[in-house]
Amino acid sequence: GQNIDQPTEMTATEGAIVQINCTYQTSGFNGLFWYQQHAGEAPTFLSYNVLDGLEEKGRFSSFLSRSKGYSYLLLKELQMKDSASYLCAVSFDRGSTLGRLYFGRGTQLTVWP
Amino acid sequence: DTEVTQTPKHLVMGMTNKKSLKCEQHMGHRAMYWYKQKAKKPPELMFVYSYEKLSINESVPSRFSPECPNSSLLNLHLHALQPEDSALYLCASSQEGQGNSPLHFGNGTRLTVT
Repeated sequence: GQNIDQPTEMTATEGAIVQINCTYQTSGFNGLFWYQQHAGEAPTFLSYNVLDGLEEKGRFSSFLSRSKGYSYLLLKELQMKDSASYLCAVSFDRGSTLGRLYFGRGTQLTVWP
Repeated sequence: DTEVTQTPKHLVMGMTNKKSLKCEQHMGHRAMYWYKQKAKKPPELMFVYSYEKLSINESVPSRFSPECPNSSLLNLHLHALQPEDSALYLCASSQEGQGNSPLHFGNGTRLTVT
């Protein structure tokens, strides 16, 4: 729902940098979250962006452009344990969408040695 | 380690059984959620409780019945389920229910309906 779009799959090698993009419809945008989910496990929270710009947390950074309806998650110094699905999720601030978090389909990242 | 605890971790039930999933959080969060997740799909919202009141029901069939006994507990009562209801059921909590704070997920209950 809400036209949240992210690539289905990506691959990269250990030590490399990978950028996972997410686009969404801008009308009523409230905030954007990134989650990591390993197979068979629960999603874990990575980052939250509400204002334009880059938020950095160690090896992971997340960027937001509200006007363009665009975000990316940047993973540096990739490790094998980073192989997981990365979910972009957007909250909206009006009407029937209030309180709902809409998830993208997830990007399955595979990190090769 | 997750701060949202779900029990049981696995559940197998027949279509005529009645069972309950349980969720507990002690972070003082005021919103709690049930999500359903099928393999290789994103989580799908089922219910939201905000300040112990049901605020969102995503047109979920009545064979799923949520209950929020207090601000720390959330249950999902199951009755007369179908095999297609087999999935990972995730409980989550957040500080508030307006979409401004991150969800903290439990490890889920993997449900199989036979």
